[in-house]
Amino acid sequence: EVQLVESGGGLVQPGGSLRLSCATSGFTFSSFWMHWVRQDPEKGLVWVSRINGDGTSTNFADSVKGRFTISRDNAKNTLYLQMNSLSVDDTAMYFCARERIVVSPPDARLDYFFDHWGQGALVTVSS
Amino acid sequence: ILMTQSPPTLSVSPGDRATLSCRASQSVGNNVAWYQQKPGQAPRLLIYGASTRATDVPARFSGGGSGTEFTLTISSLQSEDFAVYYCQQYNNWPFMYTFGQGTKLEIK
Repeated sequence: EVQLVESGGGLVQPGGSLRLSCATSGFTFSSFWMHWVRQDPEKGLVWVSRINGDGTSTNFADSVKGRFTISRDNAKNTLYLQMNSLSVDDTAMYFCARERIVVSPPDARLDYFFDHWGQGALVTVSS
Repeated sequence: ILMTQSPPTLSVSPGDRATLSCRASQSVGNNVAWYQQKPGQAPRLLIYGASTRATDVPARFSGGGSGTEFTLTISSLQSEDFAVYYCQQYNNWPFMYTFGQGTKLEIK
């Protein structure tokens, strides 16, 4: 059974740092792109970052670029999100998610989606 | 690319049909997925590729559309279907996943 379990959330002051972890099991972790998605009541679900299977390629949303770092330890089957220079706008529930890519007929197009999600880690930035 | 869902809230009676809409600000082909989220839970994948049901998703859920207009239809609402539903698109370059703002499906 595929499982993703986030940890590391909490209360932090503006300007502070936090590192989230996402421990996974039940699948070959190194074979999948992994993502972080956050959710707050105002902005809804917002994609944050992604990393490829061997950790050599990453992307970030403009809102977190230069402040957040994504990484992974394939030996530990764990995904990380290092968050620096946090602001109140970063307050949200943070989910890790596994990306699945499927080749779909009839034209062999590629479909991309998140097929498994963790339960989320709450990050609150407040003084 | 913006994804706009309508209506924000939909009130439907159990056993009735519900149709949720999602519009993309430009063509996204068939690169649309739908998720269901219940309070305190993570989103759950329902549909990908605009119309393919994910594993273990009941047949009463169906997706349709292409280009800029997409729908999620639930043919006969069960009590467990009352939740918030999100559409999501994928764009390869520049890379971006974008979610709609959600439609809350509530009991009438």
